[in-house]
Amino acid sequence: ETGVTQSPTHLIKTRGQQVTLRCSSQSGHNTVSWYQQALGQGPQFIFQYYREEENGRGNFPPRFSGLQFPNYSSELNVNALELDDSALYLCASSRTGTSYGYTFGSGTRLTVV
Amino acid sequence: DAKTTQPPSMDCAEGRAANLPCNHSTISGNEYVYWYRQIHSQGPQYIIHGLKNNETNEMASLIITEDRKSSTLILPHATLRDTAVYYCIVIEAGTSYGKLTFGQGTILTVHP
Repeated sequence: ETGVTQSPTHLIKTRGQQVTLRCSSQSGHNTVSWYQQALGQGPQFIFQYYREEENGRGNFPPRFSGLQFPNYSSELNVNALELDDSALYLCASSRTGTSYGYTFGSGTRLTVV
Repeated sequence: DAKTTQPPSMDCAEGRAANLPCNHSTISGNEYVYWYRQIHSQGPQYIIHGLKNNETNEMASLIITEDRKSSTLILPHATLRDTAVYYCIVIEAGTSYGKLTFGQGTILTVHP
């Protein structure tokens, strides 16, 4: 089975721009979560998607938005980028109803200059 | 979800057992203890989880005290590849398992 894949692996954007990050879930998984990890910190929960709808959100402003597609892949969109948005963005997938943890991708390293 | 406390760092000699403690004194009866680890430049990796019984899998063992206020993750024969940040997380059963609250974790360094 394939794991969680994220693209791109690295990205540099200018303050004020918009960015879209992509995630392909592990085969058989139907739930996707996104996390932001600043340097030296643990990952912070952004939001989760199930059945193409957001069903949980962390303490992030509305300029962070997402989508989940019928094939369970997902996108994270960030508008009006700020310097503090520079971080590793992680996608994680799981199958609803199981407790055997989430599978994480290797992340997208976003640098805002 | 209950808060967890872990030591910021630990060392272990290669081939020896690594015992990583976690305090979760406010854990409630329906909350599970999960362990993840994050190797440099990778996403977190699920290791093991448990409710109240001790658990073992191919990666590690999880020992939960009888009062459930603390637990220990055991890597029985640590290798250099086990060097990583280890996170102990408490999650309420039946809630979204995707909303993981990561703390600072324990940086485990395995040395030759």
